[in-house]
Amino acid sequence: AQSVTQLGSHVSVSEGALVLLRCNYSSSVPPYLFWYVQYPNQGLQLLLKYTTGATLVKGINGFEAEFKKSETSFHLTKPSAHMSDAAEYFCAVSGTGSARQLTFGSGTQLTVLP
Amino acid sequence: DGGITQSPKYLFRKEGQNVTLSCEQNLNHDAMYWYRQDPGQGLRLIYYSQIVNDFQKGDIAEGYSVSREKKESFPLTVTSAQKNPTAFYLCASSIVRDSHEQYFGPGTRLTVT
Repeated sequence: AQSVTQLGSHVSVSEGALVLLRCNYSSSVPPYLFWYVQYPNQGLQLLLKYTTGATLVKGINGFEAEFKKSETSFHLTKPSAHMSDAAEYFCAVSGTGSARQLTFGSGTQLTVLP
Repeated sequence: DGGITQSPKYLFRKEGQNVTLSCEQNLNHDAMYWYRQDPGQGLRLIYYSQIVNDFQKGDIAEGYSVSREKKESFPLTVTSAQKNPTAFYLCASSIVRDSHEQYFGPGTRLTVT
């Protein structure tokens, strides 16, 4: 079984400041890891994913995340926040078997202050 | 353009009525999923299907039913047995045996009074 913990249900940063959203996972097999973003009343959009290979993954809109196996973490960062980054962010880990269902964290609401 | 459509965007029903939410994809994906989203709880899996005419229960299947008669369609019925049906429902699809990145539809917000 796998699980995801997102530390901090709400994070506020000033425009131009560093964004850091934390995600820790547990998985009995080598994980696939994902970050999704959701704007109000919309579906989820993939920001980035880690499958195999390079542990630093770059995604859309200037976001990146680093897979750290020793820390079972996959934190999301962006060097400089923009007002348009305000949204809810979900970390997810894939399961086992052919279905490879995703298990989602409870989400982090990011607020960007002017 | 390829993608996933869900209709309607907003749905209102009276308690005790069954209601069916539509999900259609033209991505030629094998697998389709239904999730329920409640504030502060992330996404919870209701049902998923890997191939036509086959589907499996997820974590919170009670009070829901699905069908998969066509590859591109995976409708969800919220029955009167679902005790707390008001929620945001998201449909997704993926290619089986890939990285299993899931693509999401825009969602349907169901309100039952």
